[in-house]
Amino acid sequence: GAVVSQHPSRVICKSGTSVKIECRSLDFQATTMFWYRQFPKQSLMLMATSNEGSKATYEQGVEKDKFLINHASLTLSTLTVTSAHPEDSSFYICSAGWTGDSNQPQHFGDGTRLSIL
Amino acid sequence: AQSVAQPEDQVNVAEGNPLTVKCTYSVSGNPYLFWYVQYPNRGLQFLLKYITGDNLVKGSYGFEAEFNKSQTSFHLKKPSALVSDSALYFCAVRFPDNYGQNFVFGPGTRLSVLP
Repeated sequence: GAVVSQHPSRVICKSGTSVKIECRSLDFQATTMFWYRQFPKQSLMLMATSNEGSKATYEQGVEKDKFLINHASLTLSTLTVTSAHPEDSSFYICSAGWTGDSNQPQHFGDGTRLSIL
Repeated sequence: AQSVAQPEDQVNVAEGNPLTVKCTYSVSGNPYLFWYVQYPNRGLQFLLKYITGDNLVKGSYGFEAEFNKSQTSFHLKKPSALVSDSALYFCAVRFPDNYGQNFVFGPGTRLSVLP
């Protein structure tokens, strides 16, 4: 089955640091990838839709200058949390799927746990 | 507004007993329905989906789900629970004309299977 790889799995860093998270589709081309944030014991909150070769579409309330998304190729999207602060600590998950096949499941990365000290 | 409800935050069941995790949705049209499972510190894993056809769909790890259009429900079931089934379960919907668009997830239900 399709595999989505997300790295790193865990990051611990000081306040003010910028952190980059990578999401790769390993055996298929993903023109669209999604970035989610998950708080403890809560559901996934969609942050943005990452489109290959164009600007990401951000959900209401998500700061695009804070969460930079780049989708430069059909297999890689990156999320950069700029100047991270403790309130940015969370579990971040990416997903990807075949565009045009809305009856197909999305495939998720294993998530990145970000802890800002 | 489109929404997905999972009325139970937590479901406890004894190992070997049948389990049900409930999902109802409030959307227009005929959405596609999915169930995902999440283990600690992991992403979501696909379990099963309903697109069309037989209302009872079978998925991974012995799980099945029954689509009920009149009740707008898509409950997840398993005849005999295992301790290893303990995890967080999410119901999700997606729309046929939303090519490349995201899912709408329910809030999740934590399943605990007791030995």
